[in-house]
Amino acid sequence: KAGVTQTPRYLIKTRGQQVTLSCSPISGHRSVSWYQQTPGQGLQFLFEYFSETQRNKGNFPGRFSGRQFSNSRSEMNVSTLELGDSALYLCASSPQGDRGYDTQYFGPGTRLTVL
Amino acid sequence: ILNVEQSPQSLHVQEGDSTNFTCSFPSSNFYALHWYRWETAKSPEALFVMTLNGDEKKKGRISATLNTKEGYSYLYIKGSQPEDSATYLCACPSNTGNQFYFGTGTSLTVIP
Repeated sequence: KAGVTQTPRYLIKTRGQQVTLSCSPISGHRSVSWYQQTPGQGLQFLFEYFSETQRNKGNFPGRFSGRQFSNSRSEMNVSTLELGDSALYLCASSPQGDRGYDTQYFGPGTRLTVL
Repeated sequence: ILNVEQSPQSLHVQEGDSTNFTCSFPSSNFYALHWYRWETAKSPEALFVMTLNGDEKKKGRISATLNTKEGYSYLYIKGSQPEDSATYLCACPSNTGNQFYFGTGTSLTVIP
């Protein structure tokens, strides 16, 4: 079975631009979660999607948004980029996202640099 | 918000040493605890999902225990090898189960 894939792997943008990151989950997985990792911080939860619906959202500004398609692929969008948005963005998929009991499988991440 | 803490922040051990580190979490409204291993330039890899007080899980030379009443889990590595060098993360889900809170990790370096 193919693992979780994320595209692009690296991205350089300038302040004020917007960016879209993509995540393809493991086949059959319906839950996709997004995380941000910045230096010195643990993984910070952004949001989780299940069957095209956002079920949970972390404490991030409205500039961060996402969506999930009927094939479970997910995208996240960051508008009006700020320098502090430079980070590694990881997505993770799980079969159901069942009340935290499901194992999460992580992708390799997208490294975003904002200049 | 769940406060998940890990200690120590980093650890250097000699090849062959056994080691352990700690994950602390709020004991109220506990659902599960996940351990991950994250090697440099790779994706975080799931090690264990632990749900019951007193759980013990083992995968090769790595094992973990869980105490939900006092809010901690230990991860043990027996006879550390250089390939065990990685950051070890723990995470707990929220009471809705779908929002995970991660600790900042323990960075393990095994010196040959």
